[in-house]
Formats: sequence, C-alpha cells, structure tokens
Amino acid sequence: EVQLVESGGGLVKPGGSLRLSCAGSGFTFSDYTMTWVRQAPGMGLEWVSAIDKSSTYIYYADSLRGRFTISRDNAENSLYLHINNLSAEDTAVYYCARGTLHETAAYLDIWGQGTMVTVSS
Amino acid sequence: DIQVTQSPSALSASVGDRVTITCRASQGISNSVAWFQQKPGKVPKRLIYGAFNLQSGVPSRFSGSGSGTEFTLTISSLQPEDFATYYCLQHNSYPPAFGQGTKVEI
Repeated sequence: EVQLVESGGGLVKPGGSLRLSCAGSGFTFSDYTMTWVRQAPGMGLEWVSAIDKSSTYIYYADSLRGRFTISRDNAENSLYLHINNLSAEDTAVYYCARGTLHETAAYLDIWGQGTMVTVSS
Repeated sequence: DIQVTQSPSALSASVGDRVTITCRASQGISNSVAWFQQKPGKVPKRLIYGAFNLQSGVPSRFSGSGSGTEFTLTISSLQPEDFATYYCLQHNSYPPAFGQGTKVEI
C-alpha cells in the first residue's frame, strides 16, 4: 500500500523550533518530488515547500522563506521540514504529499494523515 | 507568482442539484489544475487532475473542464456524501497555489 506517515508535531512555545518527518512506503520514494502543505484551523490549504528527487531543487512559499528548511533522505525514504522561530501563525496541520510538478497524473495524488503543530505559551 | 481565485466561497445546494465551482488563474496555466475534496477532520482527496482527468475510484458525477485561465469543477447530481469543501490547485509553476476553497452545504 502506498503510504505517507507524518510525525513530529506537538505543542511548542513561541520562538521555538520543530522538525517534522514524513515516512514514505509502498512506492519508490526517490522517484518523486515531495511537498509540504499546511492548513491552519478553520482555514484553507497552503502550499509550503517542495524538494526534488535528488535535493537539487528546493522551493518555498515566499512568505515562509527563511524560517523553513526542507530536506530528505532517500536511503531512509524520509522527508523533513525544520521550522525555526515558530509563531502562533504557524499553528496548523502539516501534510506531506508526493508528486512532481509537471507529472500531472501523480501530482499530489497521495497525502499523509497530517501532523498537528500548535504554537502557544 | 500565479494567483488563483476560486468562487463561490460557499454555496447551498440540495441532493440532486448540479453544482459548479470555478477557478481563475492570473495567467495561463495550460491544464495544470487539480481539484480536491476535503471533509471535516479528513485529509484532502484528489478528485481531478490535469484539469479534466477523473481520479481512479472517484464517481463519474464529478467532472472537470477548462484550460488556460478558467477551470470548472462540476458535480452533476449532488449526493449526501458530497457535502464538503473543494479546492482547486494550480501547479503550472512554482509556487503552486490553492484556491480559497468552496464549502458546499445544505
């Protein structure tokens, strides 16, 4: 079964940092660009960041650049998102999803169940 | 960056109704559009890819159309399980952008 499983969320104080993880299984992880999407409570979906198969090309939402770092370990079939200097506005469910931008048939076809990040003192 | 405007933000409909949701891109994006359905507390589910291709397992009452800058998701006969929030996504270039969402309610 093709699956993505996120972990690493939790309650963090403002100014803190966090590393989210996403484990892929059931498919060849290294064949896909991987993406993070987040959703604040009661709000819409927000694209966060993407990293290509070999970590050569990395993209971030303009508003998040500087505090977010995406990375991957193909040997471990894992995707990561490190977030620094967290604020209340980062409170959201963070999803990972697979898909290469112009490979339409597989773009964001599989999502993880999400991991909740709550930033509060 | 390419902006996406989705409308309406919400609509009320009844079982059996035909429902249409529209997304407009700020510039041409070929057919690089996907549509997602999300129910409360659940993971988004892809319904349509490449503007008009139905995801495997998705009922045929869902359809997508459009190209260039204007795209449409149509539900031909609304069913009780279709009450949800729907999002379009442009992925023609980075950064991809989701529409604001359309909540379909009774």
